[in-house]
Amino acid sequence: KNQVEQSPQSLIILEGKNCTLQCNYTVSPFSNLRWYKQDTGRGPVSLTIMTFSENTKSNGRYTATLDADTKQSSLHITASQLSDSASYICVVIPNTGNQFYFGTGTSLTVIP
Amino acid sequence: KAGVTQTPRYLIKTRGQQVTLSCSPISGHRSVSWYQQTPGQGLQFLFEYFSETQRNKGNFPGRFSGRQFSNSRSEMNVSTLELGDSALYLCASSPGGTGAFGGELFFGEGSRLTVL
Repeated sequence: KNQVEQSPQSLIILEGKNCTLQCNYTVSPFSNLRWYKQDTGRGPVSLTIMTFSENTKSNGRYTATLDADTKQSSLHITASQLSDSASYICVVIPNTGNQFYFGTGTSLTVIP
Repeated sequence: KAGVTQTPRYLIKTRGQQVTLSCSPISGHRSVSWYQQTPGQGLQFLFEYFSETQRNKGNFPGRFSGRQFSNSRSEMNVSTLELGDSALYLCASSPGGTGAFGGELFFGEGSRLTVL
């Protein structure tokens, strides 16, 4: 069964600290994996798109990693800011079929 | 460049009614997809339209339908509303092209539906 699981479900960190969010998936065959940031009351915004051959991709303070063999991805946030408080959603797109597979997200709260 | 526009932003309906939501994609984008987001289920894919044709469909009942017009604007309709249909409905546009959902998705702010 194609699934995407994210952990932790929620996370609270101090401003300036680093954190890592996890995404494990069973979706196969794999096409690409995407991380989105969703602020409260807003639509999701893309952070990264990673294909099978990419191991690491950065977008400012956000760095995503992908291990296609173990079907795991992580999103690392460095030097967190209050504006990083949001829900982070992992999405996996298979090579075949017509479905996106969404994780339920990690809710991150950055406190001063 | 204007982003994805969804209307209305908020609406309240009662059980049994129907609702139509509208989505105007980014200019030049030919693919529009719809999603339901609830606290318990997260984001779930409803359907995708490309050049006025439904190209992909998720696992939702037939009460959920949509269409796309020649200018790429899309509407989503839910008939015979149930309490469980209360959710944030998001629309996303992308340039389209080959393959599933052809490229980067750009989401609108969503339409929050409350069914009483």
